[in-house]
Amino acid sequence: DAKTTQPTSMDCAEGRAANLPCNHSTISGNEYVYWYRQIHSQGPQYIIHGLKNNETNEMASLIITEDRKSSTLILPHATLRDTAVYYCIVRVGGTSYGKLTFGQGTILTVHP
Amino acid sequence: GAVVSQHPSRVICKSGTSVKIECRSLDFQATTMFWYRQFPKQSLMLMATSNEGSKATYEQGVEKDKFLINHASLTLSTLTVTSAHPEDSSFYICSARGSGGPNRETQYFGPGTRLLVL
Repeated sequence: DAKTTQPTSMDCAEGRAANLPCNHSTISGNEYVYWYRQIHSQGPQYIIHGLKNNETNEMASLIITEDRKSSTLILPHATLRDTAVYYCIVRVGGTSYGKLTFGQGTILTVHP
Repeated sequence: GAVVSQHPSRVICKSGTSVKIECRSLDFQATTMFWYRQFPKQSLMLMATSNEGSKATYEQGVEKDKFLINHASLTLSTLTVTSAHPEDSSFYICSARGSGGPNRETQYFGPGTRLLVL
């Protein structure tokens, strides 16, 4: 599975949008982009995933560049409870389901 | 999203004893389950992958005789840490992936089990 690069940490003001970038320049055509987050001392929580189209759900939006080499997770109105480590992971999808390999992620701190 | 539970959430045991951790998918059938370990201030490390009814596949460096994994049904997997030692103290997290629909593509994680070996 392709590796990803994320900033070590980011800050965001409560109520503002949090935009978390991820680079995955070696992504293959059959690899999906997944985002998870882990709040302290809990298991990771699934946020969203996509292949090439932008995706939106009740938690966040995922913007994938046309060349698929990078993506951005957007939390539209960050709250204090969104403070967590955010992991961007690429994984083979389709009929051959690869495993999720976690990097160091981005520590997002939402402040009042 | 789908729900995965783990039991116990926290366990303290003496060195040399064995500890069993249960992982259940509550509202979907998990054809594949994964076990991860996370040490303080580190990321999750995959230990093994198990498919229902098959032997688990262990990642390099993980002792299969020490970390026994059983995936006997589509909703239950167990991890047994045998002859636990203090260095096995960690946060153990299971994950499950389903066999159909959106659960087929997405892994859902349990809340984790914190193991402390004295």
